[in-house]
Amino acid sequence: LAKTTQPISMDSYEGQEVNITCSHNNIATNDYITWYQQFPSQGPRFIIQGYKTKVTNEVASLFIPADRKSSTLSLPRVSLSDTAVYYCLVGDVNYGQNFVFGPGTRLSVLP
Amino acid sequence: DVKVTQSSRYLVKRTGEKVFLECVQDMDHENMFWYRQDPGLGLRLIYFSYDVKMKEKGDIPEGYSVSREKKERFSLILESASTNQTSMYLCASTTGLAGGPGYNEQFFGPGTRLTVL
Repeated sequence: LAKTTQPISMDSYEGQEVNITCSHNNIATNDYITWYQQFPSQGPRFIIQGYKTKVTNEVASLFIPADRKSSTLSLPRVSLSDTAVYYCLVGDVNYGQNFVFGPGTRLSVLP
Repeated sequence: DVKVTQSSRYLVKRTGEKVFLECVQDMDHENMFWYRQDPGLGLRLIYFSYDVKMKEKGDIPEGYSVSREKKERFSLILESASTNQTSMYLCASTTGLAGGPGYNEQFFGPGTRLTVL
């Protein structure tokens, strides 16, 4: 299983771009990288997923370098409502208990 | 709208009590999971199930058991609650089609905050 590490917390101001990096040095060939967002008093919810290079959706972008040993979640022009905990998950595309959540990064967006 | 519901948002129990946490999903998902969430430790997998009456231990199964008698329902049981089981408990589910839980989107319930006195 690929162990993951993330910064514990980050602060940003409204309107800024925020980049949160997850390290997963021993990621395996079959592993995908998924990011989840969790607001207070709610369960996590899916944001974005990728395997390599760059993926973009209406909420975020995900950058994965060629060696895939890290990934960066990019949130463009954050607002106060983006204040949440962000988790990366590295998991095998196949069945089994081959997935692990990172410790989470608490993002605080300030006015 | 997809839904994972958990029986209680808040629960207070005493040491030694038997505690049942219930989770129900309406998406006809094959896979269901129980996690506990503690500050600084993230999400840790307790048990999961790939099918009715099937269960597998996760990373921290000690002190817990599970039951899955119907596809939509997955129960977490604390046989004899202890203070170190005070935590947030999260249930999740995923489809079993086209990939495993490390790949398919996990849908989470709102969580149950359990306090054991």
